[in-house]
Amino acid sequence: ETGVTQTPRHLVMGMTNKKSLKCEQHLGHNAMYWYKQSAKKPLELMFVYNFKEQTENNSVPSRFSPECPNSSHLFLHLHTLQPEDSALYLCASSPTPTGNSQPQHFGDGTRLSIL
Amino acid sequence: DAKTTQPPSMDCAEGRAANLPCNHSTISGNEYVYWYRQIHSQGPQYIIHGLKNNETNEMASLIITEDRKSSTLILPHATLRDTAVYYCIVRSFSGAGSYQLTFGKGTKLSVIP
Repeated sequence: ETGVTQTPRHLVMGMTNKKSLKCEQHLGHNAMYWYKQSAKKPLELMFVYNFKEQTENNSVPSRFSPECPNSSHLFLHLHTLQPEDSALYLCASSPTPTGNSQPQHFGDGTRLSIL
Repeated sequence: DAKTTQPPSMDCAEGRAANLPCNHSTISGNEYVYWYRQIHSQGPQYIIHGLKNNETNEMASLIITEDRKSSTLILPHATLRDTAVYYCIVRSFSGAGSYQLTFGKGTKLSVIP
């Protein structure tokens, strides 16, 4: 499935670096999501955006800063991360965040490693 | 939140039907059952979802019991590419106004040649 594209696929960064993850969806959806998947842990929802507006922040540390310039693009800006932030970061989209019968479609994620 | 229970692992012979069970005994009347799968190093892939009627698409069939307390995902002719972790999810409405996907541990399906 190529509806949701994430770049880069792999990222290695030091704790003092600043980097950004990018997500783009070609499905015409209005809602976009960031998830974190750590080793041997379930997916954790981080942020929800609806029509470019952030509607949910699940107590995510401020070293993660999302940006949604339009309904098709979502960024996650990273700075001064910790080793425990190493994980697979997944982006997803859906028509709206409130549709009970609307599946979310995921990208293949960015594998982030913090040195 | 309605929780789901799945067996941790299953094997299936290639070409045979794979039947993956899921229990969701606390499901509410308006909560949908969703199935996703995740192949190593890829993002979760949506398979199918349903409310109370059985559903079928090009990937799979979903059988939901009449009392909605359990369901079965059926892959009619499993191939080696179906080897993945399969997640059964009952979506819950978050306090902030969106439907959340809460992934559990899933069932690791191994398709054997």
